[in-house]
Amino acid sequence: KNEVEQSPQNLTAQEGEFITINCSYSVGISALHWLQQHPGGGIVSLFMLSSGKKKHGRLIATINIQEKHSSLHITASHPRDSAVYICAVGGATNKLIFGTGTLLAVQP
Amino acid sequence: DAGVIQSPRHEVTEMGQEVTLRCKPISGHDYLFWYRQTMMRGLELLIYFNNNVPIDDSGMPEDRFSAKMPNASFSTLKIQPSEPRDSAVYFCAITLGPSSYNSPLHFGNGTRLTVT
Repeated sequence: KNEVEQSPQNLTAQEGEFITINCSYSVGISALHWLQQHPGGGIVSLFMLSSGKKKHGRLIATINIQEKHSSLHITASHPRDSAVYICAVGGATNKLIFGTGTLLAVQP
Repeated sequence: DAGVIQSPRHEVTEMGQEVTLRCKPISGHDYLFWYRQTMMRGLELLIYFNNNVPIDDSGMPEDRFSAKMPNASFSTLKIQPSEPRDSAVYFCAITLGPSSYNSPLHFGNGTRLTVT
């Protein structure tokens, strides 16, 4: 079992829909990162959080340390949100452990 | 992310050739990471540096891989000799905080390596 599991692996949505991507982890962590990677493109850091909730524009990230779970929400989704979203956790090993990513396609 | 410049963007080479990937981070970073991304394995950490000193190279797959950071503004990842299974996208990333995992990451655009 991977230490970081993301679900779903693939997600197709219609423009305007509310989207949720989940990340569960099995190790103790100090921080959780959400990253975005557009097809053929570089990787952008969206959020780093260790507790509670963060919001940036239409993106919201939450984390529940007790349940070892984080969610990334996208409100009013748009085709330009189509990308791979990657969850990564960091803690005792001083290195990030990455999930395998969620491929999101938002159709107009 | 303009904070990390990688070159080349694309590299195609023949098996057995030496390949050198370059990374120029902005100043002020604490940590520099080299990652490899493949469809099968996702993102894998190869090596990371703190203040130009290699801290953990346990992710370097074989002796064919080596990395250097001669100064705070430059790092290289070298593969010699290259093999087809080295084909991947190689990313350089930095953190601008005191932690290797608890500070936001800034990635370069990556180098897509194809070894034929």
